[in-house]
Amino acid sequence: GDSVTQMEGPVTLSEEAFLTINCTYTATGYPSLFWYVQYPGEGLQLLLKATKADDKGSNKGFEATYRKETTSFHLEKGSVQVSDSAVYFCALRGSGGYQKVTFGTGTKLQVIP
Amino acid sequence: DAEITQSPRHKITETGRQVTLACHQTWNHNNMFWYRQDLGHGLRLIHYSYGVQDTNKGEVSDGYSVSRSNTEDLPLTLESAASSQTSVYFCASSAPGGNGEQYFGPGTRLTVT
Repeated sequence: GDSVTQMEGPVTLSEEAFLTINCTYTATGYPSLFWYVQYPGEGLQLLLKATKADDKGSNKGFEATYRKETTSFHLEKGSVQVSDSAVYFCALRGSGGYQKVTFGTGTKLQVIP
Repeated sequence: DAEITQSPRHKITETGRQVTLACHQTWNHNNMFWYRQDLGHGLRLIHYSYGVQDTNKGEVSDGYSVSRSNTEDLPLTLESAASSQTSVYFCASSAPGGNGEQYFGPGTRLTVT
């Protein structure tokens, strides 16, 4: 079945540091890929998405590129801020036409001033 | 603005009691989902529905039930609460035929004593 593997956290960075959170997936066909963010005490919200190979999703300075050849969708940001501290989830929706989404276990990011 | 709400936000109950968590969305989405979030497991799907009168089991459905009598609501019932069901519960919805993007509620923190 479908699965998502993302790097274990927590990740602690200083403000303005470069961020990479690795995500790889297993799925048949061409799934849609997502990054969601969860701020403390809140539900998840979509950060960015990519629906086909080589697509780059971007939002709020975050980027991720859909790499079919390496089955990866790594999240990057050039300069993190304290306000980026949150839990980040990589997720996929399979290509079989159904609407279920498979989530990774989440990576907690803490940015210190 | 459209939204998805959950109630209560916090609940403490005793082992063996029946508990119902409410989820209401005004997106007019056909698809609705219930997840539980536990440390180390990320989000796990409990039940989901693709429309009125449709319900399906997810990966961790034992001890839970749902019913869908209208588009807006998908209540989650714990038939006989157990300590293992202490968790944070999230409801989500998505549009039919879309790329799978889900909209999440703020969550319900349930403690079973």
